[in-house]
Amino acid sequence: ETGVTQTPRHLVMGMTNKKSLKCEQHLGHNAMYWYKQSAKKPLELMFVYSLEERVENNSVPSRFSPECPNSSHLFLHLHTLQPEDSALYLCASSQDLGLGQPQHFGDGTRLSIL
Amino acid sequence: ILNVEQSPQSLHVQEGDSTNFTCSFPSSNFYALHWYRWETAKSPEALFVMTLNGDEKKKGRISATLNTKEGYSYLYIKGSQPEDSATYLCAFNLRQFYFGTGTSLTVIP
Repeated sequence: ETGVTQTPRHLVMGMTNKKSLKCEQHLGHNAMYWYKQSAKKPLELMFVYSLEERVENNSVPSRFSPECPNSSHLFLHLHTLQPEDSALYLCASSQDLGLGQPQHFGDGTRLSIL
Repeated sequence: ILNVEQSPQSLHVQEGDSTNFTCSFPSSNFYALHWYRWETAKSPEALFVMTLNGDEKKKGRISATLNTKEGYSYLYIKGSQPEDSATYLCAFNLRQFYFGTGTSLTVIP
């Protein structure tokens, strides 16, 4: 148990669907992150939130829309995704954005786009 | 994008063997180097955070060293056990985290 919970664990959706990924952390952390992991590639940072404000958006297509309603919850809203968006999506949190703070990860959502 | 290289990509060792693998990163503007252990179907788990040149950290049979001047870190596992089988990730921490693709370790009983 890492203190970071992601739901659902698996998601299959068509290209025209709209769905959301949810992340919740019980660690009292102030920073939360979304990462994408595609096969044979390193983890790619998508979004960073600190104290509920987005501080980083790494040129992610607008079909991915994050939302951070409070410091414990992070969502990734998905719409009109493409087959190349099939990947493992990981959420992480850290005490703050300070350099040298380890990140605590959830188990991820395995997303498949039909 | 900063390039973080890990080698080897995969490794099979016999139970009881000791092993090590490498993480290479850009040596300029260094701040922190992180090691994570990622077991299949689980979440990456933080092992070490290293910030100082010459740092050496240890957790049980696993240890890591850091050379910021030449831009590399080694992870060592002494007397590998089957439960050590996992992917070991390193991440270079500047403003954000830059991850390597990992070393996949399989320990054969």
